[in-house]
Amino acid sequence: DVKVTQSSRYLVKRTGEKVFLECVQDMDHENMFWYRQDPGLGLRLIYFSYDVKMKEKGDIPEGYSVSREKKERFSLILESASTNQTSMYLCASSFAGQKYDTQYFGPGTRLTVL
Amino acid sequence: QKEVEQNSGPLSVPEGAIASLNCTYSDRGSQSFFWYRQYSGKSPELIMSIYSNGDKEDGRFTAQLNKASQYVSLLIRDSQPSDSATYLCAVTDSNDYKLSFGAGTTVTVRA
Repeated sequence: DVKVTQSSRYLVKRTGEKVFLECVQDMDHENMFWYRQDPGLGLRLIYFSYDVKMKEKGDIPEGYSVSREKKERFSLILESASTNQTSMYLCASSFAGQKYDTQYFGPGTRLTVL
Repeated sequence: QKEVEQNSGPLSVPEGAIASLNCTYSDRGSQSFFWYRQYSGKSPELIMSIYSNGDKEDGRFTAQLNKASQYVSLLIRDSQPSDSATYLCAVTDSNDYKLSFGAGTTVTVRA
């Protein structure tokens, strides 16, 4: 059974704080992803990684950075949190290659920035 | 960015009826197609994946793909109240691991 876990279900931070969101998968997946989900805007890709130490920008990378030092772990960093980063953050992982590329999601972290 | 459009909801169906969800996509190079179900406050969970034209059935769910028309659909037969959720259509291609999601269609099954 695929398991993707995220470090926190709920997080409250103050404007300007540095925020770390962690994601761990136990299926030896090559690919890992960070999304945010907002009402009316759907799921939007922030960053993804297809290998250790590799990363690519998604559709909305501004204000975020990522780190992937180990295959199973992918971190999302908000360098200086702002109120417009209040959102649900979802991590996902998948194998590489068609027909093996189903993405499996973690439970999500609801971040509130005050 | 690939465009993925879903029919706007909410969709309300009586228990036992068929719920029909539609999705169109803009990129002809798309190769992999997914339907996810998302309950309120929860993360998306995969229901179906489909890669070839035609129908694919799994229990009460049937996914239909027509690449020529750039169209993928999901049918839920014998709808149950537990099917009440938002259904997300997602698309990717073999050269790009990124999923493009539709905005989702919210389904309510009336008992």
